[in-house]
Amino acid sequence: AAGVIQSPRHLIKEKRETATLKCYPIPRHDTVYWYQQGPGQDPQFLISFYEKMQSDKGSIPDRFSAQQFSDYHSELNMSSLELGDSALYFCASSSLAVGGGTDTQYFGPGTRLTVL
Amino acid sequence: KNQVEQSPQSLIILEGKNCTLQCNYTVSPFSNLRWYKQDTGRGPVSLTIMTFSENTKSNGRYTATLDADTKQSSLHITASQLSDSASYICVVSLASGGSYIPTFGRGTSLIVHP
Repeated sequence: AAGVIQSPRHLIKEKRETATLKCYPIPRHDTVYWYQQGPGQDPQFLISFYEKMQSDKGSIPDRFSAQQFSDYHSELNMSSLELGDSALYFCASSSLAVGGGTDTQYFGPGTRLTVL
Repeated sequence: KNQVEQSPQSLIILEGKNCTLQCNYTVSPFSNLRWYKQDTGRGPVSLTIMTFSENTKSNGRYTATLDADTKQSSLHITASQLSDSASYICVVSLASGGSYIPTFGRGTSLIVHP
């Protein structure tokens, strides 16, 4: 079965550079979530989208922005990168309709961002 | 391949009843296992974290158990409340190269009816 795809899997950037992370949800899933997990920390919710509209916002810095496109894939844009942005970034997708009324989230493998 | 399987996928219970959610994993080498509660569209909230040597850990009405030999964990919810309606996600981490690599289960969706 198709899973959530994230690209790239690994990314190395320098301070003040920009980065774009991509997430391709499971087909027919309409909701996408982004999480950031620092070393030894719990995943922190960043932002979510439903049907291409932002549905909720968590602890996403102003330097970050995200959007969901017409094909339901999502991109997380990160500018003016700081050392503290080094983390695993997870994307998850879900669909109440496909899930039969349950909001099961399917997580991608994550993108490991290292800021030097 | 490291995997985390949760069951059931969804569960409906009446308010005040108890329930148990299951998590089986093949992650190795095992470092820690966490249970999270997540409301729709919100970030996950950590309920418990257990390492290899711990068998049980409680957090209020939530009690998690771990059998590292059989690679099974359960989350027991006592006297359920309407606010317990959420997804419960099991995350198993392995330690590799100085960092933890988490593997997420797909979660159990719990609905508590009055």
